[in-house]
Amino acid sequence: EAQVTQNPRYLITVTGKKLTVTCSQNMNHEYMSWYRQDPGLGLRQIYYSMNVEVTDKGDVPEGYKVSRKEKRNFPLILESPSPNQTSLYFCASSPGLARYTDTQYFGPGTRLTVL
Amino acid sequence: KQEVTQIPAALSVPEGENLVLNCSFTDSAIYNLQWFRQDPGKGLTSLLLIQSSQREQTSGRLNASLDKSSGRSTLYIAASQPGDSATYLCAVFSTNAGKSTFGDGTTLTVKP
Repeated sequence: EAQVTQNPRYLITVTGKKLTVTCSQNMNHEYMSWYRQDPGLGLRQIYYSMNVEVTDKGDVPEGYKVSRKEKRNFPLILESPSPNQTSLYFCASSPGLARYTDTQYFGPGTRLTVL
Repeated sequence: KQEVTQIPAALSVPEGENLVLNCSFTDSAIYNLQWFRQDPGKGLTSLLLIQSSQREQTSGRLNASLDKSSGRSTLYIAASQPGDSATYLCAVFSTNAGKSTFGDGTTLTVKP
């Protein structure tokens, strides 16, 4: 089944404790992206990747890191989480901007709480 | 900076009614525009994608239009059903990068 998976789905952590949220897609998509969704602020893009080893900042990259060492995986790293990073996080992928069909496929979301 | 606005923020209609959701964007240099559906506590599901060169796309009871020059898109839902109740989001992809900008969404309630 074609899908985007995220782990963990739920996470409660404390300020300053490094964490990684994994994202994996099995559709051989070139493009992957991370978003956070907050009440009243909508969905905002954190980082995106056009292909392996190519990443770029979205609108709210502060406090986050990403890597794209292989096509299927795009982990989101919080080196020193803070309470303002409490949010619902979504990973998404699409075939790539060079292709006609660029529908984005979203993962199920990771609900992160930083105490 | 691209800004995407969706009006109305919430909409309640009786079952069977046809309805229109609106999306406007400030920068017309877009690659494509997508409409998504989000159910409470769930991820996003793509409904329709319109390339910048297209004027509209249809899928079943859904029809999306795009007027790039005026920075507007509409999502038309025909013969609404209670199962259509959800939040509908529009998103635009900019041409010069992989950046995407989402609207805040319209929360639709269809009453039986």
